[in-house]
Amino acid sequence: KQEVTQIPAALSVPEGENLVLNCSFTDSAIYNLQWFRQDPGKGLTSLLLIQSSQREQTSGRLNASLDKSSGRSTLYIAASQPGDSATYLCAVTQSNAGGTSYGKLTFGQGTILTVHP
Amino acid sequence: SAVISQKPSRDICQRGTSLTIQCQVDSQVTMMFWYRQQPGQSLTLIATANQGSEATYESGFVIDKFPISRPNLTFSTLTVSNMSPEDSSIYLCSVRSPLWGTEAFFGQGTRLTVV
Repeated sequence: KQEVTQIPAALSVPEGENLVLNCSFTDSAIYNLQWFRQDPGKGLTSLLLIQSSQREQTSGRLNASLDKSSGRSTLYIAASQPGDSATYLCAVTQSNAGGTSYGKLTFGQGTILTVHP
Repeated sequence: SAVISQKPSRDICQRGTSLTIQCQVDSQVTMMFWYRQQPGQSLTLIATANQGSEATYESGFVIDKFPISRPNLTFSTLTVSNMSPEDSSIYLCSVRSPLWGTEAFFGQGTRLTVV
C-alpha cells in the first residue's frame, strides 16, 4: 500500500526566503506526482505535475523535482511572498498493469506554510 | 484545464438527514472521483464514479452511506446519508481525462458541518 509523507508539517518563514518542501513515497511504481495548493476551507489548485520519466518541472517561482528510485520529491519556492501562505499537498498516482493510469491519487498530510510580511 | 462546479459550497445539516452534492464539469471527462477531507487531515478517496454503472468504493466506504450517481460524462452526485457529526468534512470532486494528459483537477469543495 502506497504511503506518502510530507516534511515539515508546518513552516513559518519571513517574506523573501527561499524554501523547500519535502515529499516521500514508499512505492516507487508511480505514474506521476502532483503538487497542489489548498487555501483554508477551499479546494485544491494544481501547481505542478511531474511524470515518472521526468526529473523536474518549473512554473514561475516554483520548481519541483522527482527522484523516483529513492521515492522523493521536493517543491522549491523562490522568494516567498505572503500570498504563498497555504497548505501544500503532494500526491502520487500509481501505475497500473498497463503502465498507464488515470486513477486515484494518494495524498500526503500536507505542509502548512506561513510567510510573514 | 477543466472548469469544475461543485454545489453547494457549504452547508450545515441536522444529524440523521442526507445531503446531495453536485459536481458539473465543462467538458466530457474519463474519470470522476469523490474525496473526503476530515478536519485537519489530508484527502481520502471515497469512490470512483463510473458512467452508467455503480461506483467503485474504497475500503471503509459503502454505497448505503455514500450513494453516487454519474448519469453522463460531465456530471456526478455524491449523497452523504443519515449524517452524524463525524461526517463533518470537506467533500471534493476530482476529474482526470486524456484531454489534459494525466493531470488531476479538483472542484472548490463542499464544506459540510453536521450538528
